[in-house]
Amino acid sequence: AQSVTQLDSQVPVFEEAPVELRCNYSSSVSVYLFWYVQYPNQGLQLLLKYLSGSTLVKGINGFEAEFNKSQTSFHLRKPSVHISDTAEYFCAVVQGGSEKLVFGKGTKLTVNP
Amino acid sequence: NAGVTQTPKFQVLKTGQSMTLQCAQDMNHEYMSWYRQDPGMGLRLIHYSVGAGITDQGEVPNGYNVSRSTTEDFPLRLLSAAPSQTSVYFCASSYLQGRGEQFFGPGTRLTVL
Repeated sequence: AQSVTQLDSQVPVFEEAPVELRCNYSSSVSVYLFWYVQYPNQGLQLLLKYLSGSTLVKGINGFEAEFNKSQTSFHLRKPSVHISDTAEYFCAVVQGGSEKLVFGKGTKLTVNP
Repeated sequence: NAGVTQTPKFQVLKTGQSMTLQCAQDMNHEYMSWYRQDPGMGLRLIHYSVGAGITDQGEVPNGYNVSRSTTEDFPLRLLSAAPSQTSVYFCASSYLQGRGEQFFGPGTRLTVL
């Protein structure tokens, strides 16, 4: 069964610093990869997705992620974070042919002034 | 479009009570799903549906029932609530072949005493 590992449960950073949130998945066979963001007391919204093509994917709010098939990773990056980026971030994967999203356990990003 | 709506937003139940969490979407999505979110566990799939009249179990289905009589609605029933079902419940929907890009409702926070 497909699984997703988010290597850090909490990441504190200072405002305007760069950040990387790490994600690894269990299988490299035909997967689609996603990052979702959850702001406090809200539902989840899609940040970015990799379906095919260029391995560098750009999303909303200045975030980007790179698909690395050989390392089965899909790390999320932002060069300069803002206080408003404080949220929980979830990496998720769908195996080709399935509709079911499998989520990682989440990474809480806290941006401090 | 209202997107994905969930009611109620909050609910407190006593052990053994039953209730139904409502979910509706107005995007004509074929795929609908229910997740529960617990601290440090990410989101786990309870049940899903690929169309009216078709439902299937996810990762944690015990204690929950679903039905899908229309494309728009996908209610989740707790048959006999237990404290272990205290959680935040999210409904999501997407097109089939949407390859994981799901739209989430705002969630229902359920407490079972």
